[in-house]
Amino acid sequence: AQSVTQLDSHVSVSEGTPVLLRCNYSSSYSPSLFWYVQHPNKGLQLLLKYTSAATLVKGINGFEAEFKKSETSFHLTKPSAHMSDAAEYFCVVSGGSQGNLIFGKGTKLSVKP
Amino acid sequence: SAVISQKPSRDICQRGTSLTIQCQVDSQVTMMFWYRQQPGQSLTLIATANQGSEATYESGFVIDKFPISRPNLTFSTLTVSNMSPEDSSIYLCSAQTASYEQYFGPGTRLTVT
Repeated sequence: AQSVTQLDSHVSVSEGTPVLLRCNYSSSYSPSLFWYVQHPNKGLQLLLKYTSAATLVKGINGFEAEFKKSETSFHLTKPSAHMSDAAEYFCVVSGGSQGNLIFGKGTKLSVKP
Repeated sequence: SAVISQKPSRDICQRGTSLTIQCQVDSQVTMMFWYRQQPGQSLTLIATANQGSEATYESGFVIDKFPISRPNLTFSTLTVSNMSPEDSSIYLCSAQTASYEQYFGPGTRLTVT
């Protein structure tokens, strides 16, 4: 069975400093992995996806994630945080043959001025 | 990508009643899904809405409580039946594109009193 574990429920950074949101996955086959962002009272937005092509995936708004099979990790990074990055971030794995998604519990990112 | 709209955006309902949520996609998609996001929690898959056949429900969700229709490739409805306060949640539909990316509607915020 597929699953994801987000290692931090809350991350706080200062504006202009790097962001690291950690995610480990478990999958019985080569997974498709995603990061979604949810701003307060807004819908879910797809940040980036990994589907067995390049292991370093670039997404929107300067975010990127690296797929590391040896570590079963898919951490999300950004070199410099912006106030507008404050939101909830979900690491997601594709769960089965029908493509349904399995969500991690989420990491709330706070950005201090 | 796909643009998804949901109606209603929010509702307050009395226990014992039912609410039908509509989901419209701006293009034809093969796969549509319904998720629930309880307050402060992550997303949980309710069911896969199959076009032309019965929905496929996840463990813990049943057709009598959450009947789903999918009359064509751009539209689906979810009904929350015989509601109780425990059904208070955000209900989201999603659609999967041919590139296996899943896009979400803005959600329906349901409060049951």
